[in-house]
Amino acid sequence: KNQVEQSPQSLIILEGKNCTLQCNYTVSPFSNLRWYKQDTGRGPVSLTIMTFSENTKSNGRYTATLDADTKQSSLHITASQLSDSASYICVVSDRGSTLGRLYFGRGTQLTVWP
Amino acid sequence: EADIYQTPRYLVIGTGKKITLECSQTMGHDKMYWYQQDPGMELHLIHYSYGVNSTEKGDLSSESTVSRIRTEHFPLTLESARPSHTSQYLCASSEGWPEPKGAFFGQGTRLTVV
Repeated sequence: KNQVEQSPQSLIILEGKNCTLQCNYTVSPFSNLRWYKQDTGRGPVSLTIMTFSENTKSNGRYTATLDADTKQSSLHITASQLSDSASYICVVSDRGSTLGRLYFGRGTQLTVWP
Repeated sequence: EADIYQTPRYLVIGTGKKITLECSQTMGHDKMYWYQQDPGMELHLIHYSYGVNSTEKGDLSSESTVSRIRTEHFPLTLESARPSHTSQYLCASSEGWPEPKGAFFGQGTRLTVV
């Protein structure tokens, strides 16, 4: 069964600190993986997208890694800011013969305290 | 980055009313999706479309219906709204065949049925 598991479920850190969010998936055949940031009451906004051949991709203070062999990805946030408080969702696309499905994790709720 | 629009952003409506949630994208994407998301919970796929005149039901059973007469437009209709339909509805579109490169999301419609 194709699944996406994220950990931790929630995380509280102090402003300025770093943190790492985890995503494990069983989606096969794998196509790509995206990390989204979703502010409360808003639609998700893409942070990074990674394909099978990519190991690391950065977007400002966000750095995503992908290990396609172990089917794991992480999102590292450096020098956190109050505005980083949001839900971070890992989404994996499969390379199916028809639609090509999107599989969502439940998200990690990050809270940054001053 | 993305040009996908949902209207209205917020809707409060009485039980039994018929409603249509609008979703439009200007990116020419073939695939479009509707997700339902309760506060603090994960996204659940309720409908998706390969392209014009193609619609499929998603993983979560929904009493809503969709249509795809034009590539850019993917409206969702509830014939008779009930309080159990109260939720946030997110529309998304994606490009790429057969490997969707993730999805772009609208801002969402928060529906409250009283």
